[in-house]
Amino acid sequence: QKEVEQNSGPLSVPEGAIASLNCTYSDRGSQSFFWYRQYSGKSPELIMFIYSNGDKEDGRFTAQLNKASQYVSLLIRDSQPSDSATYLCAVKWGGSEKLVFGKGTKLTVNP
Amino acid sequence: DGGITQSPKYLFRKEGQNVTLSCEQNLNHDAMYWYRQDPGQGLRLIYYSQIVNDFQKGDIAEGYSVSREKKESFPLTVTSAQKNPTAFYLCASSLKVAGPETQYFGPGTRLLVL
Repeated sequence: QKEVEQNSGPLSVPEGAIASLNCTYSDRGSQSFFWYRQYSGKSPELIMFIYSNGDKEDGRFTAQLNKASQYVSLLIRDSQPSDSATYLCAVKWGGSEKLVFGKGTKLTVNP
Repeated sequence: DGGITQSPKYLFRKEGQNVTLSCEQNLNHDAMYWYRQDPGQGLRLIYYSQIVNDFQKGDIAEGYSVSREKKESFPLTVTSAQKNPTAFYLCASSLKVAGPETQYFGPGTRLLVL
């Protein structure tokens, strides 16, 4: 059974700080990793995807992938109150047709 | 303006009633998906379709049915056999099922039982 684990939080950071969100997965051989942001009552929206070990940066967001340790993280620099949301990690294993989601980490950025 | 639309936004079901949730996309995506989200839970896959007239069960297909008669449309029926249907239902699509394809979500339908 392939699983994706996230700390449910809530994670609280002050405005302007770096928020670090972590995700671990159960099985090696994984292929692709996705971070979605979900505001309360809304549907998930894609923030970033990452396929290769290392860092991938997009604006204030950086995804970090370490396949040997089976974790992927999302860093949000200069956090803003508008970043307050639940962040979902999703993993798609090679050869699988399914995307497996973690339960999400709730982030609150305090002004 | 490309995207995924779902209707209705809210849906109320009476005991013993079947209800159908609509999902339409104009992204020219081959693959479409239905997920269910319960409070504090991750998304769970109900059904997915790789191509017209073909669909596969996901992890929690019991009590649900789908059809894929057109590439753009993937309606979900919540049958009376689904004993706990109250949830947030999300439709998604991707270019194809295989490979590292990104899934994009519609705005969702919230189903409540009267």
